[in-house]
Amino acid sequence: EPEVTQTPSHQVTQMGQEVILRCVPISNHLYFYWYRQILGQKVEFLVSFYNNEISEKSEIFDDQFSVERPDGSNFTLKIRSTKLEDSAMYFCASSVRQNQPQHFGDGTRLSIL
Amino acid sequence: GQQVMQIPQYQHVQEGEDFTTYCNSSTTLSNIQWYKQRPGGHPVFLIQLVKSGEVKKQKRLTFQFGEAKKNSSLHITATQTTDVGTYFCAGPPARQLTFGSGTQLTVLP
Repeated sequence: EPEVTQTPSHQVTQMGQEVILRCVPISNHLYFYWYRQILGQKVEFLVSFYNNEISEKSEIFDDQFSVERPDGSNFTLKIRSTKLEDSAMYFCASSVRQNQPQHFGDGTRLSIL
Repeated sequence: GQQVMQIPQYQHVQEGEDFTTYCNSSTTLSNIQWYKQRPGGHPVFLIQLVKSGEVKKQKRLTFQFGEAKKNSSLHITATQTTDVGTYFCAGPPARQLTFGSGTQLTVLP
């Protein structure tokens, strides 16, 4: 069964540095998403992406964050000038269409020191 | 903005007992989805409900969507240790999924 893949599985970064989290969505899916889950808390929506542009973003997704689809397969989340509170699990997801079931990757655990 | 609340936050049951989690939205939902997240894992889609009053079953799991499309429930009959995890409801009134706070289920053998 096709799956969403995320790399790296764990990223450790010094505060203030930039990180790029990578995702390869399922190939025939058209909608892509990033979510964040702070340890022990619920999954929080960050951003959705369709047709090479952001279609929706949450209040969390401020100027510190950006997304990009640099080629036909990758979908990236960039976090600039990381803060301690950015430490969380970041999940990428994709779906065939809007409001359809989303398939999640295994996540990237981001640890900011 | 939209809020999706779930109760209870935690539930411990003996293996074989039933379990129910409830989901309430502050706004009407076009559909509601349920996900399960095992400890250390990622959310996995379980089911989507679309119609008012809809009831769907998956083996021991029964999902229900309220008549007003603002609440939903998940009921597990005769829990097993494999049911352990956090169950999230998620509602998309628009183009984003808003996840509920989740119910963490522990099944004691």
